[in-house]
Amino acid sequence: NAGVTQTPKFQVLKTGQSMTLQCAQDMNHNSMYWYRQDPGMGLRLIYYSASEGTTDKGEVPNGYNVSRLNKREFSLRLESAAPSQTSVYFCASSPRWGRNTIYFGEGSWLTVV
Amino acid sequence: GESVGLHLPTLSVQEGDNSIINCAYSNSASDYFIWYKQESGKGPQFIIDIRSNMDKRQGQRVTVLLNKTVKHLSLQIAATQPGDSAVYFCAENIQETSGSRLTFGEGTQLTVNP
Repeated sequence: NAGVTQTPKFQVLKTGQSMTLQCAQDMNHNSMYWYRQDPGMGLRLIYYSASEGTTDKGEVPNGYNVSRLNKREFSLRLESAAPSQTSVYFCASSPRWGRNTIYFGEGSWLTVV
Repeated sequence: GESVGLHLPTLSVQEGDNSIINCAYSNSASDYFIWYKQESGKGPQFIIDIRSNMDKRQGQRVTVLLNKTVKHLSLQIAATQPGDSAVYFCAENIQETSGSRLTFGEGTQLTVNP
């Protein structure tokens, strides 16, 4: 089972460049999420999509945009990367929004120089 | 120069011993809790969950205990193995007026010595 697949695994960007992180899940889950993980901060929610056709801001949405392309795919875009966005990004999914186990991808390591 | 970083709580055990990892949660209205394991360079992996109407749940070699009185959650790993070395963190589901969301602790680094 592939589960949650995200690409790229590693990326180095220059300040001001844009990029899109791709994510797909094959578990027929309704809800999808993007988190970032920084030392000492734990996982923080950037954006989520409770169901296909909806997206909402999480704790730290500034500087990011998302697109729920279809039920399987949920992308995260950095329009103008900043060094503060250097982090590890995790895509995740769950059967539905709310009191549910969230399943994570393997992570994308992003460095902005 | 000298670098300063934030360090996770650590727990070091001998192979074969039992491990207990603790988590204090923040919200008395939290109704669902999950333990995750994260190996270096990988994504968090679900271990076990528990709902607030329970105080204990067992899985394979793992047990989660929930004490709602003191808002405390623990993960017990029996016969700890080197492959158990990882960061373990808990998540709580908090009910808000806008819905519910999971919040995550920072984790504990478990090291298993052979």
